[in-house]
Amino acid sequence: SQQGEEDPQALSIQEGENATMNCSYKTSINNLQWYRQNSGRGLVHLILIRSNEREKHSGRLRVTLDTSKKSSSLLITASRAADTASYFCAGSRGSNYKLTFGKGTLLTVNP
Amino acid sequence: DVKVTQSSRYLVKRTGEKVFLECVQDMDHENMFWYRQDPGLGLRLIYFSYDVKMKEKGDIPEGYSVSREKKERFSLILESASTNQTSMYLCASSTPGQGRRYEQYFGPGTRLTVT
Repeated sequence: SQQGEEDPQALSIQEGENATMNCSYKTSINNLQWYRQNSGRGLVHLILIRSNEREKHSGRLRVTLDTSKKSSSLLITASRAADTASYFCAGSRGSNYKLTFGKGTLLTVNP
Repeated sequence: DVKVTQSSRYLVKRTGEKVFLECVQDMDHENMFWYRQDPGLGLRLIYFSYDVKMKEKGDIPEGYSVSREKKERFSLILESASTNQTSMYLCASSTPGQGRRYEQYFGPGTRLTVT
């Protein structure tokens, strides 16, 4: 079953602009994580937000979580060409160690 | 530095062959996972293991089996490869960590083609 559903599926912006990606999920979660995947590589963990948190920051990343709407957003500020990658949200439910991933947003940052 | 390695980056096998994909982590993590990734479908969990010799089915276990004889190694086995198992296979590991975060650490992936 699909826990996370990212929106949009693809996003193309210019360097320096902000990029916002959204994630909706169906069932209650313990935490929600965002991962990044460069083309043809494995995923890298970016940031985690717990179900009792509303906002988290890490460098140029800002994540929000709205449990009433079952949605999260990832904002990348002042984007760079090196931010070009696919971004996935993943929710943990029940036993925390199992994650269910969405289909991802492909972000292209044009120099 | 955390490291998850997979035995092959690219693999080509014939239909009906038995295929072994190996994953090794050097972080002493309890949990290990096998996913497959296909365009438009995202990552889907095949099997996971929360301890040596322990395993649980994920969302799409059909046609696969796993083995975890040692804590650091988790193997995915395709008993009789079929063309619909052509995919990118990703291994990951995790541990509770601070605050029971269970962040997953991924290997580079194995792109398997079954002809």
